[in-house]
This record gives sequence, C-alpha cells and structure tokens, in this order.
Amino acid sequence: DIVMTQTPLSLPVTLGQPASISCRSSQSLVHSDGSTYLSWLHQRPGQPPRLLIYKISNRFSGVPDRFSGSGAGTDFTLKISRVEAEDVGVYYCMQATQFPLSWTFGQGTKVEIK
Amino acid sequence: QVQVVQSGAEVKKPGASVKLSCKASGDTFTTFYMHWVRQAPGQGLEWVGVIHPGDGSTSYPQKFQGRVTVTRDTSTSTVYMELSSLTSEDTAIYYCARDNHAFDIWGQGTMVTVSS
Repeated sequence: DIVMTQTPLSLPVTLGQPASISCRSSQSLVHSDGSTYLSWLHQRPGQPPRLLIYKISNRFSGVPDRFSGSGAGTDFTLKISRVEAEDVGVYYCMQATQFPLSWTFGQGTKVEIK
Repeated sequence: QVQVVQSGAEVKKPGASVKLSCKASGDTFTTFYMHWVRQAPGQGLEWVGVIHPGDGSTSYPQKFQGRVTVTRDTSTSTVYMELSSLTSEDTAIYYCARDNHAFDIWGQGTMVTVSS
C-alpha cells in the first residue's frame, strides 16, 4: 500500500501570514489514466472532514482562493496564502490513485494560531 | 445537492458486532464509490472499506479483512458497514464518504463506543 507522510505534524501560524504543508507518497501517484489523484482535506474540531483540493491543485466548490495545491509524482504541497482564524484544524492529504483497491491518508497536520 | 445521512450512535460490548447505515440523497447513488472511514479519539483518519453501489464490488484494507462487510441497498440508496468482534480499539467516529476521485461529500459521522 502507498504510505502518505506529512510534514510538519504541528504548525503554529500567525494570522495573515502564509502557511505550507508538505505531503510525500511512498510511490508515484500518477494513475495509468494520466491523472494524479491527490487531494487535501480540512477538519475543524468536532466536524467531519471537508474536501479542499482535488487532483493536486483543483479547488473544490466554495473553497477560498487563499488555498492552493501543487506538486507532482510523489511530492505535494498545500499552501495558505494568508491564514485566517477559520483555517485552524487538521489538514490531511490522501491518495486515491490505487482505486479500486486502496485509499490512504496522511497522518494529519494540526494548524493552530500562535 | 447530494447529502449523506448516517445512523445514530451505538454502544456495544466487546465481542459484539455493529452495523451502521449511510443514506444518500439524489439520483447518482449507483455512480460513485462509497467509503467508510473511521477516526479514533484524538487520532487521524483511517480507511475502513469501500463499495461500488452499481455492482456491489467491495475492497477492504488488510487490517480489517474478515471483520468488516460493506453492503448496499439500491432501492433505498443506502450503504451499510458491519464490523464484528469489536474491541475497545474500535471505539471511534465512523464516517461514510462519497468518492468522486476525491472524498467530496461526507456524512455527519456515527460514534461507536465499545465498552464492557
């Protein structure tokens, strides 16, 4: 199975400042159909996760444009251009490239305000 | 707007089984994979299993093989997840989620507590 490794696991941030989370997969996430099924989720305390970014860099409906995703192959990054108070919580990367056999999540990165 | 609504909280004794449900609205039920994901207290997300409602095919991680069964009822647009031989380590919130090559719609979660 593909292992997803996120860094850092904890990220104190200052309001209005940028933030960046890295996600590395143990093997390439490029599917045979040419797409890379790497997505990012955000989970606020007490809530289900919600989709932020799909296929590396596509923002899901309603996601603010301060969120952006980038990367290729095995290395991916989520960036928040200017952190707002509502951005606290845990961010997860996940791969869906091994469908229909296996899906895996990163360990999560906890973002909190300094 | 597609939504998924899950069944209510469960309390079970060790060794018992639990069966959770997840009902989807809308007319695309048979199109997308539906997953079960769990989250133990203070922990991260863990994939539990998946079903394609169209043909009923399933897949489970090795960790849960033989202990989890995901099924569906196309007449009611509902998927089910049954987990057997429960231990305290199965105490968690269980989510269902729709897969449109990313988990784009999530249920509200069902708390399962395993305690003697």
